[in-house]
Amino acid sequence: AQSVTQLGSHVSVSEGALVLLRCNYSSSVPPYLFWYVQYPNQGLQLLLKYTSAATLVKGINGFEAEFKKSETSFHLTKPSAHMSDAAEYFCAVKDLRGNEKLTFGTGTRLTIIP
Amino acid sequence: EPEVTQTPSHQVTQMGQEVILRCVPISNHLYFYWYRQILGQKVEFLVSFYNNEISEKSEIFDDQFSVERPDGSNFTLKIRSTKLEDSAMYFCASRASGVSQETQYFGPGTRLLVL
Repeated sequence: AQSVTQLGSHVSVSEGALVLLRCNYSSSVPPYLFWYVQYPNQGLQLLLKYTSAATLVKGINGFEAEFKKSETSFHLTKPSAHMSDAAEYFCAVKDLRGNEKLTFGTGTRLTIIP
Repeated sequence: EPEVTQTPSHQVTQMGQEVILRCVPISNHLYFYWYRQILGQKVEFLVSFYNNEISEKSEIFDDQFSVERPDGSNFTLKIRSTKLEDSAMYFCASRASGVSQETQYFGPGTRLLVL
């Protein structure tokens, strides 16, 4: 069965500092991996995805993530945090066996300190 | 940019009542989904729907739940007899078919409160 672990339910960074949100996955077959962002009172918006092409994936709003098979990780980074990045971030996995469901992590709430 | 829409945004109901949550997926999408997020918890898969039938469902999706695509645009989730524990945010999602079309696009959600 596939699963996702997000270390750190809350992360605080200063404006302009590096953002690092951690995601580790478990899947018996090569997965697709996604990062979604949820702003307050809104739905889930796709930030970026890995679908077995390039291991370094660039997304919207300056975010990127690197798929590391040896570490079963897909950490999300942004070089310089902006106040507007404050939101909840979810990592999700979908395996390639034809299952339709996305399995989400528990989420990381990112707070930006002025 | 096309988006998934959901109505209502908020719904309050009494325990035991039936509710229908409505979604309009992106127009050329063929795969449809419902997920829920209980307050403070992670987003959980409920059901996927393709070609007018359920393709996958979770253990949460019991006989109290049903889905339907009554016309060419709407996709609905019905909870027949609501329980207190059904209180959650319900998200609809859709995706296109074809190669490299893995992304599920989510609607803004319906917040359901069962009293």
